[in-house]
Amino acid sequence: GDSVTQMEGPVTLSEEAFLTINCTYTATGYPSLFWYVQYPGEGLQLLLKATKADDKGSNKGFEATYRKETTSFHLEKGSVQVSDSAVYFCALNTGNQFYFGTGTSLTVIP
Amino acid sequence: NAGVTQTPKFRILKIGQSMTLQCTQDMNHNYMYWYRQDPGMGLKLIYYSVGAGITDKGEVPNGYNVSRSTTEDFPLRLELAAPSQTSVYFCASSYSRGRNTGELFFGEGSRLTVL
Repeated sequence: GDSVTQMEGPVTLSEEAFLTINCTYTATGYPSLFWYVQYPGEGLQLLLKATKADDKGSNKGFEATYRKETTSFHLEKGSVQVSDSAVYFCALNTGNQFYFGTGTSLTVIP
Repeated sequence: NAGVTQTPKFRILKIGQSMTLQCTQDMNHNYMYWYRQDPGMGLKLIYYSVGAGITDKGEVPNGYNVSRSTTEDFPLRLELAAPSQTSVYFCASSYSRGRNTGELFFGEGSRLTVL
């Protein structure tokens, strides 16, 4: 069935370090791909999305490219800040429902 | 700008008790969802609704019931609470449900503990 696998955390980085959170997916058809972020005590909110192969989603310095050949949608940011500390969820939408990864907790230390 | 509002934020139940988690949205979205979030397990879909009067089961519906009498409200009912229902529950809504859905809008969550 359809599913998302993302790297397990927790991830701890120093401020201004480079971030990569890996995400791969299994899906029939052509899903849309998403990254959601959950800040402490809050619900999930959309960070970025891509709806077709080779699309790049970007927002707040974060980027992810929809790679059909490797079925991946890795999240990257060149220089993380303390305010980026949160849990990040990769997700796909096949048209019927969303499937979420298990989440990756990121802590950025000054 | 309320968005999706869930109540209560926290609740402790005894085994066998019942309760309703309330969810309301003010964005006129047709589609609404209930998810549960367990540690290390991501989000699992419990029930969803495509409009007033229409509901359907998700991945993990057992032990829950829902109703959708209005576009705005989508309450989740727990009958005979069990420890396995200890979780964080999120209500969400969306404008559409196809693969080009822009995003899900989430409430802040309801943390439920069953002892």
